[in-house]
Amino acid sequence: DIQMTQSPASMSASVGDSVTINCRASRGISNNLAWFQQKPGKPPKSLIYSTSTLHNGVASRFSGSGSGTDFTLTISGLQPEDFAIYYCQQYDGYPITFGPGTRLE
Amino acid sequence: QLQLVESGGGVGQPGRSLGLSCAASGFNFHSYTMHWVRQAPGKGLEWVASTSYDGTYNYYTKSVRGRFIISRDNFKDTLHLQMDSLRPEDTAVYYCAGSYVDNAVDAWGQGTLVTVSS
Repeated sequence: DIQMTQSPASMSASVGDSVTINCRASRGISNNLAWFQQKPGKPPKSLIYSTSTLHNGVASRFSGSGSGTDFTLTISGLQPEDFAIYYCQQYDGYPITFGPGTRLE
Repeated sequence: QLQLVESGGGVGQPGRSLGLSCAASGFNFHSYTMHWVRQAPGKGLEWVASTSYDGTYNYYTKSVRGRFIISRDNFKDTLHLQMDSLRPEDTAVYYCAGSYVDNAVDAWGQGTLVTVSS
């Protein structure tokens, strides 16, 4: 199984900051990497797929990069609504696996 | 408007069964790979099972293989999860999710809570 790790586990930031969240896969997953945002009591929201492609309606301040085993999610100019938990996910093969999450507060 | 609505959650006793359903609307359900993803209280997301667009291929996480069955009805635009031999560790919010491109999830339901307790 492919293990996904994320760093940091949590981070503090302020409105207007730019932040980067890291995700690492235990083996190469090509570009089959997605990012999700989740707020308390809500379902996840799909942000990015194929490492860097934004889903429809996702703000352009979100961006993704990486390849192989190392990936990043960058939020440029944090907005109040961005404070949430972020998960990466690999879908290169089964079992699909998620990272443990990064809490942005 | 793409919509996924889960139903069937509730309390189940250890060793017993529960069934979940997910009604899809607003998109071509039969073109989507569908998934169940769960989240235990206070924990992260865990993929549970997936079914191909036509139901031919099904995949399961190790902890539910042999106990859970994912299925779909493309005539009724509905996804199902039959959960047998329930365990306390199956307690979670279960989300229905769909992927159009590869397994990249682009649609989520609101989730339904399953509690396994005697």
